[in-house]
Amino acid sequence: SQQGEEDPQALSIQEGENATMNCSYKTSINNLQWYRQNSGRGLVHLILIRSNEREKHSGRLRVTLDTSKKSSSLLITASRAADTASYFCATVPVNDYKLSFGAGTTVTVRA
Amino acid sequence: SAVISQKPSRDICQRGTSLTIQCQVDSQVTMMFWYRQQPGQSLTLIATANQGSEATYESGFVIDKFPISRPNLTFSTLTVSNMSPEDSSIYLCSVEGDRGLDTQYFGPGTRLTVL
Repeated sequence: SQQGEEDPQALSIQEGENATMNCSYKTSINNLQWYRQNSGRGLVHLILIRSNEREKHSGRLRVTLDTSKKSSSLLITASRAADTASYFCATVPVNDYKLSFGAGTTVTVRA
Repeated sequence: SAVISQKPSRDICQRGTSLTIQCQVDSQVTMMFWYRQQPGQSLTLIATANQGSEATYESGFVIDKFPISRPNLTFSTLTVSNMSPEDSSIYLCSVEGDRGLDTQYFGPGTRLTVL
């Protein structure tokens, strides 16, 4: 079942700007992941953060996790037109393996 | 990382008919998953398919409507039966990642339109 809620639903930024999106969830988790989907195609795994981690970096991506608030954020720095996509957070509950996806944020990067 | 292909990539079908979607992986994997993504929505897990056993369906999904086969460790099919316009969605398969079930690799999806 869908657990996460993301905001904003949509985001439009200029190339070179940073994009920030947030994800909230309801139950205790093992880890939280972010995926990207281009134009209704398959999902690409971006980054995973475990429940005992607070921040993680991968290239231009920065993810934070606050388990006390049950929330996470994804920051994309120095955005490019190729970053235009939908971004989904997905949680893995404790003692489970199934991914539960958030509603997604659609990011448009204007050249 | 696993390379996953799906066939067909898209199809337009008449209501009342059935469509079988194929998912092929380039390596052997234990667990495969089928998801549905309705227009403008997020992904919802339909079922988990393990080789040699019956698929495990999530709440709201039944075998009669979405029969699944898993004949070996690299292949699975999902059939959408007796389709109605409400079945119009993108159907995606995924497999466990290199680090087990910490991550999943997704196929490109099958875009289904039911008229």
